[in-house]
Amino acid sequence: DIQMTQSPASLSASLEEIVTITCQASQDIGNYLSWYQQKLGKSPQLLIHSATSLADGVPSRFSGSRSGTQYSLKINRLQVEDTGIYYCLQHYSAPWTFGGGTKLELK
Amino acid sequence: EVQLVESGGGLVQPGRSLKLSCAASGFTFSNYYMAWVRQAPKKGLEWVATISTSGSRTYYPDSVKGRFTISRDNAKSSLYLQMNSLKSEDTATYYCARHRKTAYYFDYWGQGVMVTVSS
Repeated sequence: DIQMTQSPASLSASLEEIVTITCQASQDIGNYLSWYQQKLGKSPQLLIHSATSLADGVPSRFSGSRSGTQYSLKINRLQVEDTGIYYCLQHYSAPWTFGGGTKLELK
Repeated sequence: EVQLVESGGGLVQPGRSLKLSCAASGFTFSNYYMAWVRQAPKKGLEWVATISTSGSRTYYPDSVKGRFTISRDNAKSSLYLQMNSLKSEDTATYYCARHRKTAYYFDYWGQGVMVTVSS
């Protein structure tokens, strides 16, 4: 099974700050990596797919990048509504596996 | 508008069975792979099952293989999850999710349904 190691587990940042979350895949998964945001009590929402493609309706301050088997989600100019838990997902092969999540709070 | 609405959750004793349903609308259901993903209380996300468009192929992680069965009725635009021999560790919110064509990430999710396994 492909393991996804996500870091940090939690993060506290200020408004307008730049935030970066990373996921390390245990093997090559190409661009088969997506990012999700989950707000308290809600279902996950797709932010980024195929490592770098912004999902429909997602603000442009969100972006994804890849360097080898390391993937990053960057949030430019953090907003209040960006708080929540973020997950990466590898969709290269079954079993589909998620990172452990990053809880993002406002400082 | 794509909508996925789960139902069938509740409290069930260990060892018993439960069947979840997901009613889909706003897209051509028969054209998409579908999945169930769960989240234990205050824990992360875990993929539970996937089914192909026709239902001929199904996929499970080892944690539920042999106990859970995913199925679909394309005529009713409905997805199901039959859960047998339930354990306390199956306690979670279960989400119905749509796989994006070709790339197979989850592009739409339902609101979730809670399953509690306890005596």
